[in-house]
Amino acid sequence: AQTVTQSQPEMSVQEAETVTLSCTYDTSESDYYLFWYKQPPSRQMILVIRQEAYKQQNATENRFSVNFQKAAKSFSLKISDSQLGDAAMYFCAYGLYGNKLVFGAGTILRVKS
Amino acid sequence: EAGVTQFPSHSVIEKGQTVTLRCDPISGHDNLYWYRRVMGKEIKFLLHFVKESKQDESGMPNNRFLAERTGGTYSTLKVQPAELEDSGVYFCASSQLRGWPDTQYFGPGTRLTVL
Repeated sequence: AQTVTQSQPEMSVQEAETVTLSCTYDTSESDYYLFWYKQPPSRQMILVIRQEAYKQQNATENRFSVNFQKAAKSFSLKISDSQLGDAAMYFCAYGLYGNKLVFGAGTILRVKS
Repeated sequence: EAGVTQFPSHSVIEKGQTVTLRCDPISGHDNLYWYRRVMGKEIKFLLHFVKESKQDESGMPNNRFLAERTGGTYSTLKVQPAELEDSGVYFCASSQLRGWPDTQYFGPGTRLTVL
């Protein structure tokens, strides 16, 4: 069975600095998708970034980028120039096309001003 | 375009009572998923509809949970009778069938408290 592990229950970052959230996963599949979702205190879960496993290039979305290491089954999220609005619970998720997502336990990110 | 909506946002019920949660997916999304997050734990999959058919219900905890999606539009998730361990946040998500990219869009969740 696929599993997703987020080993950091909480992280803190100073405003304008960079923080990296860790995620590892386990699967025997070769073609899959990885996601980072953000859930601010208002509770609406928002997609931050996605990565297709067949792509070697790491995905980037403005200040958000990933370090995807397929052989190591690692998928970390880097947030550059952190802003107060980045404070949220971040979930790493794994999925196959058209299938359910498997989530990690989440990492609470606190941003200090 | 309206996002995924869920109703109610909060529900507080007594053990043994019945509660029905509703999810309205994004218009045109044939895939509809239910997930649940029990306090402090992972978000867990419950079931997956493709249009009105149950594609995967492997995550449904027991027969006290009944999900429907009549007509392939909105979905309901009924818990009857509710138990204390059913408390948590229930999320609904939708995605396009054979869409690209295959991204699930989540609703705000329903926080269920069973006393």
